[in-house]
Amino acid sequence: QKEVEQNSGPLSVPEGAIASLNCTYSDRGSQSFFWYRQYSGKSPELIMFIYSNGDKEDGRFTAQLNKASQYVSLLIRDSQPSDSATYLCYTGGFKTIFGAGTRLFVKA
Amino acid sequence: DVKVTQSSRYLVKRTGEKVFLECVQDMDHENMFWYRQDPGLGLRLIYFSYDVKMKEKGDIPEGYSVSREKKERFSLILESASTNQTSMYLCASMPSGGSNTGELFFGEGSRLTVL
Repeated sequence: QKEVEQNSGPLSVPEGAIASLNCTYSDRGSQSFFWYRQYSGKSPELIMFIYSNGDKEDGRFTAQLNKASQYVSLLIRDSQPSDSATYLCYTGGFKTIFGAGTRLFVKA
Repeated sequence: DVKVTQSSRYLVKRTGEKVFLECVQDMDHENMFWYRQDPGLGLRLIYFSYDVKMKEKGDIPEGYSVSREKKERFSLILESASTNQTSMYLCASMPSGGSNTGELFFGEGSRLTVL
């Protein structure tokens, strides 16, 4: 069974801090990785995707991928209360496999 | 703006009823998906379709069927609803190929309660 695992949290950080969200996956064949944010009662929305080893930055968000360790992470710099949500990672492809999500709370 | 529309945001049905959840996308995407989302379990794939009239089982297809007669429309059917099918149902579409391969576009969700 191919799996994607995330720490369900909740992860609580103070406003302005760096939030670090982590995801491990079991399928070495996975090529693409996506981070979604989901506010309570809403549908998921894409934050970032990453295909290559290393870092990819977009504004306050940085995705990091290490295929050798089968690990992908999302860093949120200067965290804001509006970042409080559940963050889902998933590996792309037809048999889309999602992690259970990490709940993030940013305290003002 | 890309759009995936689910027919009903909230439904309440009784055990044994037949339930139809409809999803329409206007992006000409080949691939469409149905998930259910339950607390602590994340999104679980029920069925997906990569073309008209084509369907593939996901991780939890039992108790569900799907229909894709037109490219833009993907329907989820609960033949005989049960209380353990009370959940949030999310439809998504995904393009084939291109730089954004793998990106899912979600509908707003349909919260189904089975009494």
